[in-house]
Amino acid sequence: DTGVSQDPRHKITKRGQNVTFRCDPISEHNRLYWYRQTLGQGPEFLTYFQNEAQLEKSRLLSDRFSAERPKGSFSTLEIQRTEQGDSAMYLCASSFSRAPYEQYFGPGTRLTVT
Amino acid sequence: DQQVKQNSPSLSVQEGRISILNCDYTNSMFDYFLWYKKYPAEGPTFLISISSIKDKNEDGRFTVFLNKSAKHLSLHIVPSQPGDSAVYFCAASAGDKIIFGKGTRLHILP
Repeated sequence: DTGVSQDPRHKITKRGQNVTFRCDPISEHNRLYWYRQTLGQGPEFLTYFQNEAQLEKSRLLSDRFSAERPKGSFSTLEIQRTEQGDSAMYLCASSFSRAPYEQYFGPGTRLTVT
Repeated sequence: DQQVKQNSPSLSVQEGRISILNCDYTNSMFDYFLWYKKYPAEGPTFLISISSIKDKNEDGRFTVFLNKSAKHLSLHIVPSQPGDSAVYFCAASAGDKIIFGKGTRLHILP
């Protein structure tokens, strides 16, 4: 296994459009996390899954955001009706539930909303 | 309210010398502290962690020190190498979430 992968790496979209990102975690990991990072800030937690169950969502995750992990493997993050403030790097990470503090990150998807 | 603070946005260190990156936190419930390294256009890479019950953890050139009474931790890199030039994030875990600081950009000078 080569690590966490994310697709696409870059996405440019117009305001009001919907976008979907995909994350493939390290296969042995049962936890999957989504973070958002803006310029000059560290990653900010959005949500996480243990297997297919979404266990926590940040207040940063507005109603326009939805995440799924249908079979407990890959995950998707969808943003509906994108706004310019959604422009950011969206990072995915995975871990074992016995060591949730040791998370391994993917390269991220950079979203630009014009 | 920032629970994990990295007060130095950047740091320059001569190659071969020691790099010391500092971090302060406010939440005494954190159970693990971590350092991540990030190169441009890549995700953060896990470097080293320390449990809140310890005061030092060492891994090769990297050592993390934890001072619980001062709510302070530091990452020492010795000797510093050109490939260490990156942004370093201090982070802390309370249960299932990790909270990150804003990062310190380390420049290793030739």
